[in-house]
Amino acid sequence: AQSVTQPDIHITVSEGASLELRCNYSYGATPYLFWYVQSPGQGLQLLLKYFSGDTLVQGIKGFEAEFKRSQSSFNLRKPSVHWSDAAEYFCAVTENTGFQKLVFGTGTRLLVSP
Amino acid sequence: GAGVSQSPRYKVAKRGQDVALRCDPISGHVSLFWYQQALGQGPEFLTYFQNEAQLDKSGLPSDRFFAERPEGSVSTLKIQRTQQEDSAVYLCASSLAGGFETQYFGPGTRLLVL
Repeated sequence: AQSVTQPDIHITVSEGASLELRCNYSYGATPYLFWYVQSPGQGLQLLLKYFSGDTLVQGIKGFEAEFKRSQSSFNLRKPSVHWSDAAEYFCAVTENTGFQKLVFGTGTRLLVSP
Repeated sequence: GAGVSQSPRYKVAKRGQDVALRCDPISGHVSLFWYQQALGQGPEFLTYFQNEAQLDKSGLPSDRFFAERPEGSVSTLKIQRTQQEDSAVYLCASSLAGGFETQYFGPGTRLLVL
């Protein structure tokens, strides 16, 4: 069965500093990978997704993620964090079943300090 | 344009009561998903509809959970004889088609069973 591990429950980053959120997945074949952000009272919003091709994926709000098959990882990065980036971030994986039956990690809460 | 809406936003139920949670997907979206998000966890897949057909209900926790989408638009998730362990946020998402179209999530319904 597929699974996703987000080892960091909380991360605090200073505003303007760089950010990397870790995600490791367990899946036999080539996974389809996603990062979502959830702000309080808001629905989950897709930041970026990887299906195939270039392993460095650009997303919205200045985020990017890199798929590394050898490490089973799909880490999310941002070069300069803004206070508005404070939220919960979820990594997710799905298999090629014809629709996105997403399996989510437990999330990483990002706190941004002034 | 309008996004995915869910109602009610909050629901308090006494143990043993039946509840019905409504999801209004984005107009024209063929695919509809329900997820359950327990406190401090990532969302977990419950069920998937393509138009009015329920193609996957493997994530429904028990036979007390029932979902329908009779006309291929609005969906209702019904929980019979609620238990305390049903307390969670129930998220609905829709996408334009099957395959790997982006899922757009609603704000969720927070259910508290006392």
